[in-house]
Amino acid sequence: QVQLQQSGPGLVMPSQTLSLTCAISGDSVSSNIATWNWIRQSPSRGLEWLGRTYYRSKWFSDYAVSVQSRITVNPDTSKNQFSLQLNSVTPEDTAVYYCARRGASFYFDYWGQGTLVTVSS
Amino acid sequence: DIVMTQSPDSLAVSLGERATINCKSSQRVLYSSNNKNSLAWYQQKPGQPPKVLIYWASTRESGVPDRFSGSGSGTDFTLTISSLQAEDVAVYFCQQYYTTPWTFGQGTKVEIK
Repeated sequence: QVQLQQSGPGLVMPSQTLSLTCAISGDSVSSNIATWNWIRQSPSRGLEWLGRTYYRSKWFSDYAVSVQSRITVNPDTSKNQFSLQLNSVTPEDTAVYYCARRGASFYFDYWGQGTLVTVSS
Repeated sequence: DIVMTQSPDSLAVSLGERATINCKSSQRVLYSSNNKNSLAWYQQKPGQPPKVLIYWASTRESGVPDRFSGSGSGTDFTLTISSLQAEDVAVYFCQQYYTTPWTFGQGTKVEIK
């Protein structure tokens, strides 16, 4: 059974960097089938896919246009986890952030528990 | 981007009655390799992440009660709860996984009348 465990701070100052980690059990971040994603949810923006990382003989990452200048999603093979960094945050980045696996059938089949991140001074 | 539009935004249904939620995509999401529509339905309860109910528009996820069914083709899709139970009170989302950016509908809140 795949499990995704999120960690990271719930409060970030404006203009600072939001950093979250998603630890994987029951699968590998280096899987040749799955992709590893970050999704956020807010009342104003709904569910919004932010970006992903995946391994297909080499590492790839790609991002939503809305955040692509500020986001990095990286794998950490030594700890079997992946991370989200979102730079220069504003209060509009306040949301519940989820990590999620996109599996062999292409939908999001496993999700982390969610982390409410508030951007405020 | 593919825009997913759900209707209605909310609905109230009596216990045991049918609930129907619609989802329209701004373009077709047919995956040519298997001739199936790249459309999933999720259920979300307060404080929980979304949970997949249906994928490929009509395939029920393992363990999902058979009162949940999905249908549709082209750009119009439907989630039906045939006999609403108290535990089905939740928000339901459709999502296309045909092309990035993966996009979701705005959600439909289902309540008991």
